[in-house]
Amino acid sequence: AQSVTQLGSHVSVSEGALVLLRCNYSSSVPPYLFWYVQYPNQGLQLLLKYTTGATLVKGINGFEAEFKKSETSFHLTKPSAHMSDAAEYFCAVSGLKAAGNKLTFGGGTRVLVKP
Amino acid sequence: NAGVMQNPRHLVRRRGQEARLRCSPMKGHSHVYWYRQLPEEGLKFMVYLQKENIIDESGMPKERFSAEFPKEGPSILRIQQVVRGDSAAYFCASSPPGSSNIQYFGAGTRLSVL
Repeated sequence: AQSVTQLGSHVSVSEGALVLLRCNYSSSVPPYLFWYVQYPNQGLQLLLKYTTGATLVKGINGFEAEFKKSETSFHLTKPSAHMSDAAEYFCAVSGLKAAGNKLTFGGGTRVLVKP
Repeated sequence: NAGVMQNPRHLVRRRGQEARLRCSPMKGHSHVYWYRQLPEEGLKFMVYLQKENIIDESGMPKERFSAEFPKEGPSILRIQQVVRGDSAAYFCASSPPGSSNIQYFGAGTRLSVL
């Protein structure tokens, strides 16, 4: 079984400040980890993913995340927030399976960017 | 290359009616997933299909809900005799064969049950 916990359902940051969104997972198999962003009334857009290899992964729009197996974490960061980063962010996990795999999502973190 | 297309974007039904939600995967994608997002909640997996086959329906409610992905045409999520609790955003995702851990999402269908 897999689960994802995102600490903080709402995060408020000032424009130009660091964005840090926390994600912890549990998985009985080596995980694949994802961050998705959802803008209002839209679908989910993939920000970045970790499958194997380098534990620091870079995504779109200046975001990056680090897979820490010992901490079962996959926190998302961006050094400098922009107004366009206001959205809801979802962390998700899937297992190592050859053909097809459902995503298990966290509850989401809504980011507000203050000018 | 068009993305995952879902229609309608918004659907209003009265209690007891049927809702049919359509999803056309990205070109070349043979795996389709349906997820439901209830108000103020995250997305929950419902069903995973390949052409003409249901692979995993562990997230589907036992009654009133069904899904198909025929050989030709879009995938359909069907909800019979809708109730107010079915009001939610329903998202479809698709992935290509061989790398099905990366899913691409449509814009969703927002179902409102009056």
